[in-house]
Amino acid sequence: EAQVTQNPRYLITVTGKKLTVTCSQNMNHEYMSWYRQDPGLGLRQIYYSMNVEVTDKGDVPEGYKVSRKEKRNFPLILESPSPNQTSLYFCASSLKPPGTGIYEQYFGPGTRLTVT
Amino acid sequence: GENVEQHPSTLSVQEGDSAVIKCTYSDSASNYFPWYKQELGKGPQLIIDIRSNVGEKKDQRIAVTLNKTAKHFSLHITETQPEDSAVYFCAASDDGLTFGKGTHLIIQP
Repeated sequence: EAQVTQNPRYLITVTGKKLTVTCSQNMNHEYMSWYRQDPGLGLRQIYYSMNVEVTDKGDVPEGYKVSRKEKRNFPLILESPSPNQTSLYFCASSLKPPGTGIYEQYFGPGTRLTVT
Repeated sequence: GENVEQHPSTLSVQEGDSAVIKCTYSDSASNYFPWYKQELGKGPQLIIDIRSNVGEKKDQRIAVTLNKTAKHFSLHITETQPEDSAVYFCAASDDGLTFGKGTHLIIQP
């Protein structure tokens, strides 16, 4: 089954404790992206990757890191989480970037992160 | 960068009636306009999209219209059903995707 998986689905942590949220897709997609979703703010892009070893900042990259060492995986790293990073996070992937207007973007099920 | 405004934030309609959600965008270079449906506890799922060279697209009970001159596009759902209840997001893309803030659609039985 074609899908985007994220782990963990739920995470409660404390300020400053490094964490990683994993994202994996099995569709051989080139483009992958991370979004955060906050009430009243919709979905905002954190980072995206056009292909292996190619990553770039989205609209809200502060406090986050990513890596793309393999095509299927795109982990999101919070080196020193803070309470304002409490949010619902989504990973997404598509064969090509959204701007091509051709390829559907598939979203993972989400990771609900709480930083106390 | 691109800015997408979406209205209304909440829409309640009677089952069987039509629902319309409207979005405006700022970047005239945007050329792709998808709509996503998000059910509770799930990720957004594409329901329909339209490219800038097309004015209208229809898929069964769902249609999208695009006015490039006015920089706005709309989602139309006819004969609404309880399973249409969800949060709907519009988005605009010239390279990445910029999302609207979402519309919570409630279908009243």
